[in-house]
Amino acid sequence: QSALTQPPSASGSPGQSVTISCTGTSSDVGGYNYVSWYQQHPGKAPKLMIYEVSRRPSGVPDRFSGSKSGNTASLTVSGLQAEDEADYYCNSYADNNVWVFGGGTKLTVL
Amino acid sequence: EVQLVESGGGLVQPGGSLRLSCAASGFTFSDHWMTWVRQAPGKGLEWVANIKQDGGQKYYVDSVKGRFTISRDNAKNSLYLQMNSLRAEDTAVYYCTRGGGRCNSYWGQGTLVTVSS
Repeated sequence: QSALTQPPSASGSPGQSVTISCTGTSSDVGGYNYVSWYQQHPGKAPKLMIYEVSRRPSGVPDRFSGSKSGNTASLTVSGLQAEDEADYYCNSYADNNVWVFGGGTKLTVL
Repeated sequence: EVQLVESGGGLVQPGGSLRLSCAASGFTFSDHWMTWVRQAPGKGLEWVANIKQDGGQKYYVDSVKGRFTISRDNAKNSLYLQMNSLRAEDTAVYYCTRGGGRCNSYWGQGTLVTVSS
């Protein structure tokens, strides 16, 4: 049950696009299409942004998109806005009925 | 409106026990898997345990197996986490969330558990 690997930080200017990666193994990210992404602002509960690799819950702007290739999933935020500055966590189903999170990426809007 | 309200957190000595509760409202509780997720101070999220709608399937992260027990009472729309043999590394905010992991779209505000002497 090792944590998924995310870069500790990412940044971009308003209006730009930024992509955050989430690397696992064939036992989690690569083996299942059950990758989700959460946004967390300081002192707040996480918010679901993407589920099942690329599906967006209602109310989440289409500036947020998800994808997967092999053992690596990605979250892309297009048209960066100041309110996108937050921590982002990936999450994946893994073998033996467990779920694993990534270590988190702090997104800074410059 | 979906609401999840955790309670039961607090300060406990190493080796002690605590029972967390999560009161659910605004949806049919018995229709959904439920999950506990925790976050140590200044750290990332960690999946702790989840439970099927009827309580017949329960799964845990290795670090809490044999010490924590997840349960639910569908008649009371409530989720629980019994935590025994607590360790300093269990110190965290514990979140109750609707869903088994695939699509956890609702989260409570969390309850803080501090394990310290």
